[in-house]
Amino acid sequence: EDQVTQSPEALRLQEGESSSLNCSYTVSGLRGLFWYRQDPGKGPEFLFTLYSAGEEKEKERLKATLTKKESFLHITAPKPEDSATYLCALISGTYKYIFGTGTRLKVLA
Amino acid sequence: DGGITQSPKYLFRKEGQNVTLSCEQNLNHDAMYWYRQDPGQGLRLIYYSQIVNDFQKGDIAEGYSVSREKKESFPLTVTSAQKNPTAFYLCASNKGPENGYTFGSGTRLTVV
Repeated sequence: EDQVTQSPEALRLQEGESSSLNCSYTVSGLRGLFWYRQDPGKGPEFLFTLYSAGEEKEKERLKATLTKKESFLHITAPKPEDSATYLCALISGTYKYIFGTGTRLKVLA
Repeated sequence: DGGITQSPKYLFRKEGQNVTLSCEQNLNHDAMYWYRQDPGQGLRLIYYSQIVNDFQKGDIAEGYSVSREKKESFPLTVTSAQKNPTAFYLCASNKGPENGYTFGSGTRLTVV
């Protein structure tokens, strides 16, 4: 069964304390893996697409990486404005779009 | 700037009432989607449409209906048959089946 699992469910960091969010998956034929950011009461905002193992994408303090079993969203020296829920999603070999339940990140000043 | 507009932002439904959520996009995307988001759960697909005048049921279509008469518009009706409609509803679109989504800002529906 195609599945996406995100960990941890919630994460509290001090400002400047770097960390990583995990998205592990089992899928029959990965066509693409996506990261989104969602602020409370708003729709998710697209961050990155990764298509193959070994691929990396960066944007400001965020870097996404992909292996054959998982993806990481690395946050370097986070700021309070990085507080949000981060969602991972993928497209399976049968074009089914599957979302994880997200990691709620809180960065304290 | 192109994007997706959902309205209203908040909606209250009485028991036995049908309500319609609006979704309009000016991104020229062929595919549009409706998702439901509940606390502690991943986004669940209600309906999707890959082309005008055609749409398919998602994982939780019971109690919902849609139409796709124009490329830009994909309204969702929550019918009285939906027993637990209180949720955050998200409309999305994308260029094609292997692309990420652009989401609207959502509609929060509450049953009163």
